[in-house]
Amino acid sequence: EPEVTQTPSHQVTQMGQEVILRCVPISNHLYFYWYRQILGQKVEFLVSFYNNEISEKSEIFDDQFSVERPDGSNFTLKIRSTKLEDSAMYFCASDSSYSNQPQHFGDGTRLSIL
Amino acid sequence: SQQGEEDPQALSIQEGENATMNCSYKTSINNLQWYRQNSGRGLVHLILIRSNEREKHSGRLRVTLDTSKKSSSLLITASRAADTASYFCATVGTGNQFYFGTGTSLTVIP
Repeated sequence: EPEVTQTPSHQVTQMGQEVILRCVPISNHLYFYWYRQILGQKVEFLVSFYNNEISEKSEIFDDQFSVERPDGSNFTLKIRSTKLEDSAMYFCASDSSYSNQPQHFGDGTRLSIL
Repeated sequence: SQQGEEDPQALSIQEGENATMNCSYKTSINNLQWYRQNSGRGLVHLILIRSNEREKHSGRLRVTLDTSKKSSSLLITASRAADTASYFCATVGTGNQFYFGTGTSLTVIP
């Protein structure tokens, strides 16, 4: 069964550095998402992406964050100047149509900011 | 906030018993979905129930939805040790973003 893959599985970065988290969604999917889960807390929506542009974003997704689909297969989340509070699991998800469909999640990237 | 809230927060049962988890939410929905998360892994879709459905079955899973009470329940029958995981309900917002609850941590004791 096709899977959403995320790399790296764990990223350790110094505070203030830029970090790029990578995702390869399922190949025939059209809608892409990033979520964040701080340890012990809820999974929180960050951003949705369709047709090479952001569809929706949450309050968490401020100017420090950006997303890109650079080559038709990868879907990346960039955090420009990381803060300690950015430490979390980041999940990528994709689905094939707009509504009433399950989203398929990757196993996540654990981001640790030192 | 549209986020779902599950209860109980934690549930421990013996293998073979049934497990019931509840979810409440605040606004109108198109559908509600249940996901499972094993420790350190991503979320795995279990079942989707549309707003015009009241009950749905999938294998050992049974989901109910009461839109008048803005609540849903997930029943796992004849539980197994492999069912040990966290279970989340997710409501779907207008932009197709998911709002997850805090989850129920289920432990099935062999």
